[in-house]
Amino acid sequence: GESVGLHLPTLSVQEGDNSIINCAYSNSASDYFIWYKQESGKGPQFIIDIRSNMDKRQGQRVTVLLNKTVKHLSLQIAATQPGDSAVYFCAENAGNMLTFGGGTRLMVKP
Amino acid sequence: NAGVMQNPRHLVRRRGQEARLRCSPMKGHSHVYWYRQLPEEGLKFMVYLQKENIIDESGMPKERFSAEFPKEGPSILRIQQVVRGDSAAYFCASSQGASNYGYTFGSGTRLTVV
Repeated sequence: GESVGLHLPTLSVQEGDNSIINCAYSNSASDYFIWYKQESGKGPQFIIDIRSNMDKRQGQRVTVLLNKTVKHLSLQIAATQPGDSAVYFCAENAGNMLTFGGGTRLMVKP
Repeated sequence: NAGVMQNPRHLVRRRGQEARLRCSPMKGHSHVYWYRQLPEEGLKFMVYLQKENIIDESGMPKERFSAEFPKEGPSILRIQQVVRGDSAAYFCASSQGASNYGYTFGSGTRLTVV
């Protein structure tokens, strides 16, 4: 289930289950969105992106959904594996920079 | 083709000292972006540079922080007279063109001010 930890919200899932991580973005003019995975001590790693003219994009085991009406982005991970344990950030394109969301920690239980 | 290289990986400085963080972009990339990350938080934009030019420094603190990306050599983020609040992870990203599309992050420099 989903719970709010001391700093980052945490999502705990059983290995093999599907995970859904949500993100609310702020700028209705943003035209490009990215999901990043960050493991402890490492830099953000690109997972998948989507442009604002789409509402769904699929990759290998991952799907991103974009709802522009409510400014909501979600990342779905199919058949979650222990190696998926990390912090996940959404980011929106804002001119010369990316604006990052606060992150969700995904914990995968074996 | 090496990715974005940052050094040092870890840097410890005493209050009042200077910190210099280096970033070598991916080969062929001429655009560099610096971000700062506090523990348990997302990355916050600091500055965007092209070779020899600062394009956007809207996220840089007005004092003590500066950045450069010379014609030759890595991009440098310089923090003068460091304070404990500067302790953070500093990440660099690079891109081929003037765009945020799909740029690549380095592994970061973790600065600790004691």
